[in-house]
Amino acid sequence: GENVEQHPSTLSVQEGDSAVIKCTYSDSASNYFPWYKQELGKRPQLIIDIRSNVGEKKDQRIAVTLNKTAKHFSLHITETQPEDSAVYFCAASIGRQAGTALIFGKGTTLSVSS
Amino acid sequence: GAGVSQSPSNKVTEKGKDVELRCDPISGHTALYWYRQSLGQGLEFLIYFQGNSAPDKSGLPSDRFSAERTGGSVSTLTIQRTQQEDSAVYLCASSLLGFNTGELFFGEGSRLTVL
Repeated sequence: GENVEQHPSTLSVQEGDSAVIKCTYSDSASNYFPWYKQELGKRPQLIIDIRSNVGEKKDQRIAVTLNKTAKHFSLHITETQPEDSAVYFCAASIGRQAGTALIFGKGTTLSVSS
Repeated sequence: GAGVSQSPSNKVTEKGKDVELRCDPISGHTALYWYRQSLGQGLEFLIYFQGNSAPDKSGLPSDRFSAERTGGSVSTLTIQRTQQEDSAVYLCASSLLGFNTGELFFGEGSRLTVL
């Protein structure tokens, strides 16, 4: 089954509103949770990450929260702007046959209208 | 180079042909990853190299897929006897150490179309 589930798959907000994207993971040993942003036709780029010893991390308008007990983490974008429109991917380090791998969710397409 | 370089950027091939995709990571990065991105899908993990060794090959979709890395630098992903379902963007990424230590830097991707 899927190791990382991401919701919603699409999200439309008005400029200035907040956007929240949620992910769940299956491996209780996961300890690293990055978020990547992929603009149309471009490569994914890291926007924020969090490790398992921290419950929340903030960087300007972006914040990530982690609930290890429930095995879910969320991305929060406040005061959204049109340039925030992109596909956002969550990821988690997942234990596999040999070592671990960074497994991504299926992505959330965020559209911010002005 | 300054970033992760992939070639070719676009490849159109006929079903049944073999293809090779190349990734040149950022100089000094020991870890290298291959992901596949199909239309509307997420980033599907394929394989990960630490140095020249690949501790986890279980993400490769079938035995038609193979990858190698030599000299701790350039990596090649080979797809034999391509099928239409192999059509996707193949993304390579590198990081300074393992991914648990920080950011993955992605290349622009190689778009493969199998006719």
